[in-house]
Amino acid sequence: QQQVKQSPQSLIVQKGGISIINCAYENTAFDYFPWYQQFPGKGPALLIAIRPDVSEKKEGRFTISFNKSAKQFSLHIMDSQPGDSATYFCAAPGSYNTDKLIFGTGTRLQVFP
Amino acid sequence: EPEVTQTPSHQVTQMGQEVILRCVPISNHLYFYWYRQILGQKVEFLVSFYNNEISEKSEIFDDQFSVERPDGSNFTLKIRSTKLEDSAMYFCASSETTVPNSPLHFGNGTRLTVT
Repeated sequence: QQQVKQSPQSLIVQKGGISIINCAYENTAFDYFPWYQQFPGKGPALLIAIRPDVSEKKEGRFTISFNKSAKQFSLHIMDSQPGDSATYFCAAPGSYNTDKLIFGTGTRLQVFP
Repeated sequence: EPEVTQTPSHQVTQMGQEVILRCVPISNHLYFYWYRQILGQKVEFLVSFYNNEISEKSEIFDDQFSVERPDGSNFTLKIRSTKLEDSAMYFCASSETTVPNSPLHFGNGTRLTVT
């Protein structure tokens, strides 16, 4: 079964700084890598996702960088804001031809003014 | 924006009791899921459901768990005889088509506390 390793466990960033969260996966056969954002008391919400046919995807201040050869993908949050303070999860398909997502262990981001 | 709704938001039960967690998925979605999150840990897949049957389940989803879509709108998770280790946040999710062709939409969860 696919494993997804996420780091760091927690991250403290000053307002305006760049937040970087990394994930590593095992199986190169899979083709979908989403990031979810979770605020306290809420369910995870899809933030941004990438397929491995591109090396980068940007949506506003959020960018996913994908390195297929290293089997890694990372989330960059530019100009981090206090409102970005949340837990971020990367995910990957659990296996081939599945609806199951395997989540990383999460990164708790705190952005201080 | 349409959303997945879950009830109750918090359920306290005694060990050995049955609980039913309820969800109303987004109305035009065809795929339904339950995930759980033990406090402070990662989100774990339990089961997926399509066309009125389970399409996939994890090793966590043993004989004590069952899912049902009793009518056209509700999707339920039943735990027959709860254990202390079932205490967790349970999230229902739905998607229009299969992941990754459409995103998962999660509800806000039911916090289950087993005493």
